[in-house]
This record gives sequence, C-alpha cells and structure tokens, in this order.
Amino acid sequence: AQTVTQSQPEMSVQEAETVTLSCTYDTSESDYYLFWYKQPPSRQMILVIRQEAYKQQNATENRFSVNFQKAAKSFSLKISDSQLGDAAMYFCAHSGGATNKLIFGTGTLLAVQP
Amino acid sequence: DSGVTQTPKHLITATGQRVTLRCSPRSGDLSVYWYQQSLDQGLQFLIQYYNGEERAKGNILERFSAQQFPDLHSELNLSSLELGDSALYFCASSLAGYQETQYFGPGTRLLVL
Repeated sequence: AQTVTQSQPEMSVQEAETVTLSCTYDTSESDYYLFWYKQPPSRQMILVIRQEAYKQQNATENRFSVNFQKAAKSFSLKISDSQLGDAAMYFCAHSGGATNKLIFGTGTLLAVQP
Repeated sequence: DSGVTQTPKHLITATGQRVTLRCSPRSGDLSVYWYQQSLDQGLQFLIQYYNGEERAKGNILERFSAQQFPDLHSELNLSSLELGDSALYFCASSLAGYQETQYFGPGTRLLVL
C-alpha cells in the first residue's frame, strides 16, 4: 500500500532559524514524484517543492530544500531563514504509477516565533 | 493564485440534501482531481478526470459522483448528505494527468447541519 508518514504533528522555530520537517513514505512504484505542500490559515494548498524520484540531486526552491533518501524512503523539508509567513500546516505527498493521485501525510503544523 | 477556481466558497445545507460543487481548471490543463479534507480522515483523493473521461477513483462514496464537461470544467455532486460529509473539498488540475504537479483551487467548505 502507498502511505506517507509525518511523525511530527507540531514543530516550532524561531524567526531566522532553520527547521527540518520529516516525512517517510512507502510505495511499490519505481517511478514517482514527491511533494511538499503548504496550507496556511486561509486553507489554500500551495506547492512548496517537488522532487522526481529518478533524480539524485535534491530539489531546492529559494529558502526551501529537501533531503531525499530514496533507499530509506525519506523526504524531509528544510526551511532556512524562517519567516513569520512560513507558519502553516505542511503536507508531504507522493504520486506515482498509472495515475497521478496524491497520497498525503497527516501534516506538520509549523509555528514561527518572532 | 493557482489559476484553479472553485465555487461556491462556502456551502451550508441540511442532512439528506444534494449539492453540486464546481471547478474550473487552469487554462490548458486537461486533468481535474477532487480531494476531501476532513478532521478525522485528513486529505483524501476522491476521483480524477482527464479530458472528460474518468481516469482514477479513490475513496469516493457511492452517494458522490463527478463529471468533467467538454469545456473541461468539473462538477462534484454530493447527495443524501450526512453530518460526516462536512469537509473542505478541493479541486486540483494538471496538464495531462501523469507524473505532474497538481495545482489546487481555494476549496469549497461544506457544512452539513
């Protein structure tokens, strides 16, 4: 079965500091993609970053980067220089196989302290 | 703004009723997805359409149905509503529906009383 596990229900970080959110997944697919989505209080789902499983290089988007460990099926998100606007629920997800459906984790609620 | 639109933003209705949620994908996107976000079940995939045809089905109840029209907009119909159907319903779209990023609409918040 395809699953995504986020073991940290809540995290907190000081403004300007770095924080890492954890995610592990399980899939039988050989070709798949991994995503981090952000859901702020507005409830909009916003794409933060994506990683193609066939790429060894970790994806980066400005202050956001991932640590993709394919053998360990681990996909963590690092947020550098945290800002107040980063406070949100963060969801890890993967898609793969014949469909593009997203399987989501349960989310990590990130608080940013001024 | 993702370019995906959903109407209505909020919907309040009673048990046993039927509602229709509407979604317009981003310009050029052929694939539409529906997801349900509830407190007890999290974010769950319901159904996917590609260019008018059903592509994949997830945990969608038999009381729920969807379709995608020739102009590519999609509707999710929820009938015989129960209290447990109260949730945030998202529509997402992607270009062709395989190994792509999905862009989400703002969601429709449904409250069943």
